[in-house]
Amino acid sequence: SQQGEEDPQALSIQEGENATMNCSYKTSINNLQWYRQNSGRGLVHLILIRSNEREKHSGRLRVTLDTSKKSSSLLITASRAADTASYFCATAEETSGSRLTFGEGTQLTVNP
Amino acid sequence: NAGVMQNPRHLVRRRGQEARLRCSPMKGHSHVYWYRQLPEEGLKFMVYLQKENIIDESGMPKERFSAEFPKEGPSILRIQQVVRGDSAAYFCASSPQQVKLYTEAFFGQGTRLTVV
Repeated sequence: SQQGEEDPQALSIQEGENATMNCSYKTSINNLQWYRQNSGRGLVHLILIRSNEREKHSGRLRVTLDTSKKSSSLLITASRAADTASYFCATAEETSGSRLTFGEGTQLTVNP
Repeated sequence: NAGVMQNPRHLVRRRGQEARLRCSPMKGHSHVYWYRQLPEEGLKFMVYLQKENIIDESGMPKERFSAEFPKEGPSILRIQQVVRGDSAAYFCASSPQQVKLYTEAFFGQGTRLTVV
């Protein structure tokens, strides 16, 4: 089973609205990262949050991390049509930490 | 500084042939990861290599798949005797140090393998 599982699997919103995506994981982590993928292309790193951090901001992105619930959320504010993409969370485990384990992703569609 | 370069971008192989996928990491990066992605799914980890060493191959199928990252040249993912189930997008990523040291991974554009 996947270390990271995103929720919802698909999200459709209007431009200007906020989009919230959630990620749950199973093991103890060192850090959690969010990536974006446009239409089957390569992944682009968005933001990294360490296990001892609870919240982080980058531009219109806000990430939270709750290690007690083993969950994270990605909030995109004031969404734009160009934000349409798949979003994946990825975890670096505390013990091995030798790789990133990805979830199944959330497909976000922002309608103009 | 060029990004992670993968080639070819598209590869068509007949069942039973060999597929060789190449990945040149970003300059200064000595850590390379290979992932496989099926349509509408997430990325599945395959193997993690540092120069000349396989560090973690826990995601690699036991047969037909191999990977290397020689001292000189790109990393190679090799699939022997391909079958239709090998059809997927294969992504390579690189990083300057281990991801547990709070480092992001940089991804290539992928190689789309189609087995006919």
